[in-house]
Amino acid sequence: ELKVEQNPLFLSMQEGKNYTIYCNYSTTSDRLYWYRQDPGKSLESLFVLLSNGAVKQEGRLMASLDTKARLSTLHITAAVHDLSATYFCACPQGGSEKLVFGKGTKLTVNP
Amino acid sequence: DAGVTQSPTHLIKTRGQQVTLRCSPKSGHDTVSWYQQALGQGPQFIFQYYEEEERQRGNFPDRFSGHQFPNYSSELNVNALLLGDSALYLCASSPGHYNEQFFGPGTRLTVL
Repeated sequence: ELKVEQNPLFLSMQEGKNYTIYCNYSTTSDRLYWYRQDPGKSLESLFVLLSNGAVKQEGRLMASLDTKARLSTLHITAAVHDLSATYFCACPQGGSEKLVFGKGTKLTVNP
Repeated sequence: DAGVTQSPTHLIKTRGQQVTLRCSPKSGHDTVSWYQQALGQGPQFIFQYYEEEERQRGNFPDRFSGHQFPNYSSELNVNALLLGDSALYLCASSPGHYNEQFFGPGTRLTVL
């Protein structure tokens, strides 16, 4: 059964710094999703990564996918306070539409 | 264009009661999935409905059941509520098979 692991689970960083969140998954998957969740809110789609080597960027966030290593990264550049949220990665299990989520990375950006 | 909508926003029930949550998918979407998100955890897949039938199910007991209507809206029913059922329940819709799912705002269920 597919397992998705994120690290770190908690990340406190200063504004202006860079950091990377890692997402590993245990079995083959042909796509990976990144979501953002603010406290008490729903999931906001950030990126959909569909192929090996895919890289997508939006503002200060950049996501990549390495299907051979079963690894995706979410890189944060020059963090700002507005990026404080919990970030989830998710993969569909075994050709199905059941999304399996990681436990999330709670990011806090301090002034 | 309205996104995925859910009702109610919040709900408080007591143990043993039954609850019904509702979801309207995004326009043009015919597939609805339900997820349970406990506090501090990632969402867990409950089940998915397509063409008014349950197409796939996660590891949830039979107390959790659902329905999809001809207009593609969906309901999630939970019987014999337990304290552990307290969570944020998220509905997601997608167009057809194996496409990106878009999430609704969720229903916060508290079981006392």
